[in-house]
Amino acid sequence: GAVVSQHPSRVICKSGTSVKIECRSLDFQATTMFWYRQFPKKSLMLMATSNEGSKATYEQGVEKDKFLINHASLTLSTLTVTSAHPEDSSFYICSAPGTGGIDYLYNEQFFGPGTRLTVL
Amino acid sequence: QKEVEQDPGPLSVPEGAIVSLNCTYSNSAFQYFMWYRQYSRKGPELLMYTYSSGNKEDGRFTAQVDKSSKYISLFIRDSQPSDSATYLCAMSFSGGGADGLTFGKGTHLIIQP
Repeated sequence: GAVVSQHPSRVICKSGTSVKIECRSLDFQATTMFWYRQFPKKSLMLMATSNEGSKATYEQGVEKDKFLINHASLTLSTLTVTSAHPEDSSFYICSAPGTGGIDYLYNEQFFGPGTRLTVL
Repeated sequence: QKEVEQDPGPLSVPEGAIVSLNCTYSNSAFQYFMWYRQYSRKGPELLMYTYSSGNKEDGRFTAQVDKSSKYISLFIRDSQPSDSATYLCAMSFSGGGADGLTFGKGTHLIIQP
């Protein structure tokens, strides 16, 4: 299957600093990528849809000025958490839909391994 | 009411048992229904997907969707200790990858040797 990578896998930062998380599709191109956040014992929550060459679409309640998304190429999307606070500590996961599956109606979403962000 | 409800467990069963995992949802516009397996601090991996109502079988796994009841299930036969993980149900409006997924909370499954 297709592979999605994330970097870094874990980051610890001080309150007030900014952190950038990268999401890469390694062996396929993705015009769309998705960013999720997962708090302990909670659902994976969709934060935003990242679109190559255009602005990201944010879910209701997600601050677009705090979570900056840039989809610079067909294989890279970045999420920058600006002025991070302890409540931003979470597990951030990206995904990208594959193409050319055996079922033309369905494109599997491939998930990255996640980034654990801890804000002190 | 949350969009997708899933009992978080933990659910502990002996090896070889049949496991039943379930989710209910409220939005009738969902068309694609997925089950993912997630190990601790890892990204989810797709187990199965189903379009609309019906059953789908893949080895020891069977997925069922009842859209009239807004209820989906995953059955695991002959459960193995290696099946121990968190199982997430997910659903989407389309299958083409244009929209993100709505997940349940996940059920933590433990298969006792």
